[in-house]
Amino acid sequence: EPEVTQTPSHQVTQMGQEVILRCVPISNHLYFYWYRQILGQKVEFLVSFYNNEISEKSEIFDDQFSVERPDGSNFTLKIRSTKLEDSAMYFCASSGRDRTLGSSYEQYFGPGTRLTVT
Amino acid sequence: EDQVTQSPEALRLQEGESSSLNCSYTVSGLRGLFWYRQDPGKGPEFLFTLYSAGEEKEKERLKATLTKKESFLHITAPKPEDSATYLCAVQAAGGSQGNLIFGKGTKLSVKP
Repeated sequence: EPEVTQTPSHQVTQMGQEVILRCVPISNHLYFYWYRQILGQKVEFLVSFYNNEISEKSEIFDDQFSVERPDGSNFTLKIRSTKLEDSAMYFCASSGRDRTLGSSYEQYFGPGTRLTVT
Repeated sequence: EDQVTQSPEALRLQEGESSSLNCSYTVSGLRGLFWYRQDPGKGPEFLFTLYSAGEEKEKERLKATLTKKESFLHITAPKPEDSATYLCAVQAAGGSQGNLIFGKGTKLSVKP
């Protein structure tokens, strides 16, 4: 069964350093997302991406964040200068095999990358 | 403001003891309501999508229902392996495929 994969599973970095989190969405999906979950809190939306551009972003997604689809399979989230409060689980999700299908709104999540900023 | 409230926060059941989880929502036009299961340290696992009031979906011991204001996840004769956090999320209508707004979840523990 197709699934979303994410690497690394755990990333430890020092405050102020840049990190890149990687995701391989489900093949043929059209929409890609990043969410984060701070320990013990809700899953929060960061950004959605479609047709090689950002379609929506939340207030959390400030200038320190960027997303990219560098090739036909990978989808990345970059944090330019990490802060302690960026420590969280980051989830990639994808949806939309075909916009005409009724199931196209279902978002499938990856296993997450645990980011620890020290 | 669009929001999702889940209750109870935690639920402890004995194996075989049926119960329901609640998800109340306010959203400016509902595109869909989604139920996910999340195990500790893992990503949300998709369970159901509900699109309109009156709709019901079933999968094994789980059944999800939807009204105009809330959704229920009914668990019939649960087993210990059903222990997890169950997340409810809504997606607002309009615009492009948009973000999911999640509730805090209900942590379910099923004891043998």
